[in-house]
Amino acid sequence: NAGVMQNPRHLVRRRGQEARLRCSPMKGHSHVYWYRQLPEEGLKFMVYLQKENIIDESGMPKERFSAEFPKEGPSILRIQQVVRGDSAAYFCASSPFEGSSYNSPLHFGNGTRLTVT
Amino acid sequence: SQQGEEDPQALSIQEGENATMNCSYKTSINNLQWYRQNSGRGLVHLILIRSNEREKHSGRLRVTLDTSKKSSSLLITASRAADTASYFCATGGSEKLVFGKGTKLTVNP
Repeated sequence: NAGVMQNPRHLVRRRGQEARLRCSPMKGHSHVYWYRQLPEEGLKFMVYLQKENIIDESGMPKERFSAEFPKEGPSILRIQQVVRGDSAAYFCASSPFEGSSYNSPLHFGNGTRLTVT
Repeated sequence: SQQGEEDPQALSIQEGENATMNCSYKTSINNLQWYRQNSGRGLVHLILIRSNEREKHSGRLRVTLDTSKKSSSLLITASRAADTASYFCATGGSEKLVFGKGTKLTVNP
């Protein structure tokens, strides 16, 4: 049973380019979450999606960032016109959403480390 | 703003010793979770304690929760070099977990 898969593991982009980060949730999980981690910091929530729906994007910057989780295929976090401040590790997590989600731990991928030069 | 704050920020111990990490949070919670992160990897869920529980065990892990003080502690007994990692507490529903900055634990062989 494969875990949460993220790719690429490392991504280098020049300022102004676009970054596309992919996440395939665990089998049977239909809820995906994206978090960002700066060096020596904890994870900060960005967005929560279900298939074809954005449920909560309160942690996502209003400009340049977007996320989707289509009916088929992985979830995509897209950062347009990247700037140096976007350099961070981006983690995806999934959960099965069985009944009360308040007691459901998240399963994390190993992250994509984005470096903007 | 951060909901959970871990203390200490860094902890270095010898193999075989116990490690205790603390977490304080600000608002009322339904549960509190602890995660481990090895260098360069994602977070791994360790243990979840509900707000009506005071103590929970899982192998060498013991978690306590004091809702009156809005604090939790994670105890790792008989530590091993493989326990070297950062440990985070997290609060909130699974839709939007809020993490602290973590405690960086180093276990020296």
